[in-house]
Amino acid sequence: EVQLVESGGVVVQPGGSLRLSCAASGFTFDDYAMHWVRQAPGKGLEWVSLISWDGGSTYYADSVKGRFTISRDNSKNSLYLQMNSLRAEDTALYYCAKDPSTLRGYSGYPDYWGQGTLVTVSS
Amino acid sequence: EIVMTQSPATLSVSPGERATLSCRASQSVSSNLAWYQQKPGQAPRLLIYGASTRATGIPARFSGSGSGTEFTLTISSLQSEDFAVYYCQQYNNWPTFGGGTKVEIK
Repeated sequence: EVQLVESGGVVVQPGGSLRLSCAASGFTFDDYAMHWVRQAPGKGLEWVSLISWDGGSTYYADSVKGRFTISRDNSKNSLYLQMNSLRAEDTALYYCAKDPSTLRGYSGYPDYWGQGTLVTVSS
Repeated sequence: EIVMTQSPATLSVSPGERATLSCRASQSVSSNLAWYQQKPGQAPRLLIYGASTRATGIPARFSGSGSGTEFTLTISSLQSEDFAVYYCQQYNNWPTFGGGTKVEIK
């Protein structure tokens, strides 16, 4: 059974930094690309970032480009999101999600999602 | 950025009735379209990918259709567990989601 468990969400001041983690199990982690997707309170879904199976390729939404960095440690079955220069509009539930594409490519849509970790940016 | 527009924002349906949800893309996304269901306090669940292929374990009452810029999710006979918010997402370009359609009990 695929399991994705996010952690690291806290209350942080504007301009601050935070690193989110996602522990993956139930599948061969280093075969799959991974996503971060966020959801502001009471709002819809927003794709944030994608990383290839080996970490060699990373992609970002314009809203976070230059401030967020996605990374992974395949030896630990873990995905990360380093968030810098945080703004109030970054307040959201952050989901870690798996891409379904095999052959170590990516499809661009998540098939399994974690339960999310809440990041609140407020003074 | 490809903008995804879902309609209606809210759909009131009686149990057992058919529900039809629409999703429009600002430019062609071919068949690179997914649908998700989200219930309160839960993560989204993948229903449909490739515009019309049901994900693993999704009941046959859920069906997707369309290509290019116009897509439809149909729930043939609404069950109590189907009342939720539904999102479409294109992945022809960098992923973008629609604003969602809430399916509520009439």
